Amino acid sequence: DAGVIQSPRHEVTEMGQEVTLRCKPISGHDYLFWYRQTMMRGLELLIYFNNNVPIDDSGMPEDRFSAKMPNASFSTLKIQPSEPRDSAVYFCASTKQGRGEQFFGPGTRLTVL
Amino acid sequence: GQQLNQSPQSMFIQEGEDVSMNCTSSSIFNTWLWYKQDPGEGPVLLIALYKAGELTSNGRLTAQFGITRKDSFLNISASIPSDVGIYFCAGTFGGSNYKLTFGKGTLLTVNP
Repeated sequence: DAGVIQSPRHEVTEMGQEVTLRCKPISGHDYLFWYRQTMMRGLELLIYFNNNVPIDDSGMPEDRFSAKMPNASFSTLKIQPSEPRDSAVYFCASTKQGRGEQFFGPGTRLTVL
Repeated sequence: GQQLNQSPQSMFIQEGEDVSMNCTSSSIFNTWLWYKQDPGEGPVLLIALYKAGELTSNGRLTAQFGITRKDSFLNISASIPSDVGIYFCAGTFGGSNYKLTFGKGTLLTVNP
């Protein structure tokens, strides 16, 4: 079975540009999570969805960040405008209702110049 | 926010040695999870724990959910070179079963 799929794997952009990260969760999973990983702050939960509805976005750093889940098999995390401090690895994860374990994708390494 | 104290930060061991790492918190946790992350990859789930006192094994790995529900440990027996990586503890607490809090990780190096 396919795991969580993320694209692109690497993204290099210039400050001020819009960045869109994409995620396809594991089929049948109804929870989807977006995380950010940096050396300074470790792994942080940004936002999570249940049945395509955002449940908790308290980890989203500021209004420049937005996330959507238009259907059960696709989610996006958008940063507009991007800043150098947004440089990090962004992970998507998914799980099923009633399960605590989350399964992570390979991540998108974002570099904002 | 809630902090998970994971120790040690790093370990350098010889192949064949056993390894132990742990996580502690000031809050009572509902679940404890252990992940391993290789360079350039996402965290991979090793073991999930759901009940206080639960002891679970996965091959050479063994993890326990502490009786106080404020700690967990992971043991690796007879380490091999491919055990190299960063190990993270994570868990949920309070009213949420889905908001994971992660420890800072333990970097394991195994000398062949």
